[in-house]
Amino acid sequence: GDSVTQMEGPVTLSEEAFLTINCTYTATGYPSLFWYVQYPGEGLQLLLKATKADDKGSNKGFEATYRKETTSFHLEKGSVQVSDSAVYFCALTNFGNEKLTFGTGTRLTIIP
Amino acid sequence: GAGVSQSPSNKVTEKGKDVELRCDPISGHTALYWYRQSLGQGLEFLIYFQGNSAPDKSGLPSDRFSAERTGGSVSTLTIQRTQQEDSAVYLCASSVGGGNTEAFFGQGTRLTVV
Repeated sequence: GDSVTQMEGPVTLSEEAFLTINCTYTATGYPSLFWYVQYPGEGLQLLLKATKADDKGSNKGFEATYRKETTSFHLEKGSVQVSDSAVYFCALTNFGNEKLTFGTGTRLTIIP
Repeated sequence: GAGVSQSPSNKVTEKGKDVELRCDPISGHTALYWYRQSLGQGLEFLIYFQGNSAPDKSGLPSDRFSAERTGGSVSTLTIQRTQQEDSAVYLCASSVGGGNTEAFFGQGTRLTVV
């Protein structure tokens, strides 16, 4: 079945550092890919998404590119802020199996 | 309502008791999901409803767990004879369906079995 493998955490970075959180997937067909974020004390919310190969999702300075050849959807940000501290989840859906399949989540802590 | 609403927000129950968790999805959303998030763990899929189709129950961990969705709207997750390992945050989400659409999550119900 479909699955998502996500970079293990926790990750601790200094403010203004470059961030990469790796995500790879296994799925048949053409899944849609998502990054969700859970800020402390808040519910899960969509950060960005990409629905076809080579699409780039972006939001709040974060980007991720749908790479079908490497089955990856790595999350990047050029300069992180303390307010980016959260848990990040990579996820996918697939036609014919539309439930969201999540990775295990990566806890990110940014220190001033 | 404006978002997905879950109730109660917190529930403490004694081992062996039954509990019911409620989810009110966003109006018009045909897809509804239940997930479980244990302390320090990821998101465990439980069950998925889409319109009038048979639900995908493949994630329910045991026959003590069941869920229903009445009238294509409100959903109730029932856990019978609760065990301590059932303690977790239970999350509900809804979406317009279609496979590539955003799921909107509720704040969750924190269940503690003592």
